[in-house]
Amino acid sequence: DIVMTQTPLSSPVTLGQPASISCRSSQSLVHSDGNTYLSWLQQRPGQPPRLLIYKISNRFSGVPDRFSGSGAGTDFTLQISRVETEDVGVYYCMQATQFPHTFGQGTKLEIK
Amino acid sequence: EVQLVESGGGLVQPGGSLRLSCAASGFTVSDYYVDWVRQTSGKGLEWVGRSRSKAKSYSTEYAASVKGRFTFSRDDSKNSLDLQMNSLKIEDTAVYYCARYRGPLGSFDIWGQGTMVTVSS
Repeated sequence: DIVMTQTPLSSPVTLGQPASISCRSSQSLVHSDGNTYLSWLQQRPGQPPRLLIYKISNRFSGVPDRFSGSGAGTDFTLQISRVETEDVGVYYCMQATQFPHTFGQGTKLEIK
Repeated sequence: EVQLVESGGGLVQPGGSLRLSCAASGFTVSDYYVDWVRQTSGKGLEWVGRSRSKAKSYSTEYAASVKGRFTFSRDDSKNSLDLQMNSLKIEDTAVYYCARYRGPLGSFDIWGQGTMVTVSS
């Protein structure tokens, strides 16, 4: 199985300041079709996960442009340009390149 | 509104069975892949398996941890799908989500609210 490792596991951030979360996979996430199926999910307290970013850097419908994704191969990053109160929650990276699909441990974003 | 709604969770003894349902509204679920993902406080999010679309003959994939114990089925008349869980173990305790998988995205664009399954004596 592909192991997804996120850092940090907790990120206290000041409102209006940037935040960054890293995700590393134990093997390349490049699929045989040439795509890299790495996505980022946000889970607000008491809510199911919600898709933010798909295929490394594509924002899903309705996601604010302060969220961006980057990376390649085995190293990926989610960045929030200016953290807002509504961004509090847990962020997960997920790979769908190979079965079983696997998730990172989650990074808890909280306001200082 | 496009949504998925799970039901059927509850308390069951080890070795017992439970059947979860995932009802879709706002779209025809037989046209889509639907996965089950579970969440525990200790292990985070864990992919359980996939039920592909009718066009793909509802073929399935299962995580090793549930293979042979869990089975997906579809009910086109109800626009829903079920997760039959047998030989339940304490470690199956989790919130179970159904989620619509979109191949072009390589991810889940719609999630249900989840249903809690507790396996305990």
